[in-house]
Amino acid sequence: QVQLQESDPGLVKPSETLSLTCAVSGYSISSGYYWGWIRQPPGKGLEWIGSIYHSGSTYYNPSFKSRVTILVETSKNQFSLKLHSVTAADTAVYYCARHGSNAFDIWGQGTMVTVSS
Amino acid sequence: EMVMTQSPATLSVSPGERATLSCRASQSISNYLAWYQQKPGQAPRLLIYGASTRATGVPARFSGSGSGTEFTLTISSLQSEDFALYYCQHYNDWPLLTFGGGTKVEI
Repeated sequence: QVQLQESDPGLVKPSETLSLTCAVSGYSISSGYYWGWIRQPPGKGLEWIGSIYHSGSTYYNPSFKSRVTILVETSKNQFSLKLHSVTAADTAVYYCARHGSNAFDIWGQGTMVTVSS
Repeated sequence: EMVMTQSPATLSVSPGERATLSCRASQSISNYLAWYQQKPGQAPRLLIYGASTRATGVPARFSGSGSGTEFTLTISSLQSEDFALYYCQHYNDWPLLTFGGGTKVEI
């Protein structure tokens, strides 16, 4: 079955760049679907960060647009998130997930990222 | 800007009872709405899409209804494993996706 697995950066220092990778197994990214990133600060709700289409087209939440980059690496069947100039407010569980023209149907288990010096 | 408002924030029910969760959109979203269940320490799980279509493997006690701006998730007879957080999410305004604030279903 299709599985998604986020990498585990753990601790990131303020003002630095948060980098995450989502490895996809059981499905070829280049075959279709959108591949997205969602985050959840401790004790709070879900926030969509952005998505990338299998062709490489990117779509970002305007709240993050100036400091987010999502890339796809079809040769490795994975996609990545870079969030620049992080602050403590970026501390959250980060999820990668697959979606079509509708909902997020398959999610990774999530990875906790803490921004702290 | 689309705003999704869920109510109540917390719903206290007993096992076997019916639970009704509400999600309101600030603008009409037709039926472009999904519902998710999230248990502590786990990723969200898709329950409903298209406002009323159950995702694969979702028990029949979960049902969704509504269109336009008012939506409902109903759990007909709560089981112990149903106590969790529930989120709605619209996808009418692609490429912008927004989640509601969530409803916690507790005993």
